[in-house]
Amino acid sequence: SQTIHQWPATLVQPVGSPLSLECTVEGTSNPNLYWYRQAAGRGLQLLFYSVGIGQISSEVPQNLSASRPQDRQFILSSKKLLLSDSGFYLCAWTGSTDTQYFGPGTRLTVL
Amino acid sequence: AQSVAQPEDQVNVAEGNPLTVKCTYSVSGNPYLFWYVQYPNRGLQFLLKYITGDNLVKGSYGFEAEFNKSQTSFHLKKPSALVSDSALYFCAVRDIPLGYSTLTFGKGTMLLVSP
Repeated sequence: SQTIHQWPATLVQPVGSPLSLECTVEGTSNPNLYWYRQAAGRGLQLLFYSVGIGQISSEVPQNLSASRPQDRQFILSSKKLLLSDSGFYLCAWTGSTDTQYFGPGTRLTVL
Repeated sequence: AQSVAQPEDQVNVAEGNPLTVKCTYSVSGNPYLFWYVQYPNRGLQFLLKYITGDNLVKGSYGFEAEFNKSQTSFHLKKPSALVSDSALYFCAVRDIPLGYSTLTFGKGTMLLVSP
């Protein structure tokens, strides 16, 4: 069966520091991968989408970036964090259907 | 672009009573509709989806949803609520904004089931 992992689970970072969040999927190949941010426990904002290695589509221009160095690995990064980057970051994948399956999330607090 | 609306920020229901969480949609073409549930500090869990066929879709944990084309609605229902059903529920619609398929989510409805 397929499994999606995210780490770290929680992260507290100072303003201006770099960021790296990792997402990996097991049990499938060539998934579509997504990064979302959820602020204040409510709506989801799609940040990035990837259909394959090295292929990244950005939905929202900001100081975040994403990379997909391997088929089942998706990384969210920032060179300098802002206070507004705080939130709950969710990774998701789809296979041959449109159903998205989500990871457990990373709680990021920027101080 | 496709969109969904969840008109209620919160729904309160007593345990054992039926529950309904509302969702309306706006799409061009045939709608692909989804329901997800989120427990505190957890990722979203898929409950059910409507692609085509029977208007009553059955999903996980005893939930079902009724697709109504004339009312452009896709309400989530359960005959008898449990306290453990208390969570945040999201309705979503498939969208293809830039040539790739993704989901557009509603703002979420908090369901509170009292003992």
